[in-house]
Amino acid sequence: EAGVAQSPRYKIIEKRQSVAFWCNPISGHATLYWYQQILGQGPKLLIQFQNNGVVDDSQLPKDRFSAERLKGVDSTLKIQPAKLEDSAVYLCASSELKQYFGPGTRLTVT
Amino acid sequence: GIQVEQSPPDLILQEGANSTLRCNFSDSVNNLQWFHQNPWGQLINLFYIPSGTKQNGRLSATTVATERYSLLYISSSQTTDSGVYFCAVGVYKLSFGAGTTVTVRA
Repeated sequence: EAGVAQSPRYKIIEKRQSVAFWCNPISGHATLYWYQQILGQGPKLLIQFQNNGVVDDSQLPKDRFSAERLKGVDSTLKIQPAKLEDSAVYLCASSELKQYFGPGTRLTVT
Repeated sequence: GIQVEQSPPDLILQEGANSTLRCNFSDSVNNLQWFHQNPWGQLINLFYIPSGTKQNGRLSATTVATERYSLLYISSSQTTDSGVYFCAVGVYKLSFGAGTTVTVRA
């Protein structure tokens, strides 16, 4: 069974630029999550989708972050414009009951 | 939101030793999962355990939901067990603890 796929794996941008991350969940998983993990901390939920509807986006900085999940399958997370404090690993996960994580995208904002 | 406390924050083990990691949480939950983040950053789901006891090889976990805690047991530790162990709890979404960093020395 294929796992959660994410791309790119690494991205370096300058502040005020924009960036997008892509995620393809495990086939058949209705729930998809985007997390932000800052070095030394546990993952923090940014947004949770059930099929293509948003279940929770209470911790998503909506002035600069956006996410969509078209057709209830893959998803993109965008940051525009990026700030220095957005430097982190962005993790995508999907679930039926157990959550399965992708490898993450390490973002460095300079 | 739900508060999740994990202890100890750091644990150093000699290969072959046993250990217990603890997760306390502040509210009633119907979802509790344990994860291992390996040194390369990949998060691996170890257990989905909102209540009761489960075992998987050298690892086992127990959740006492009424007392709001869960325990993860590592037996006969190996160097490959090194990494950060996270407890995550919630109702319709998960909140992660700060993790326990485990170092197993050969």
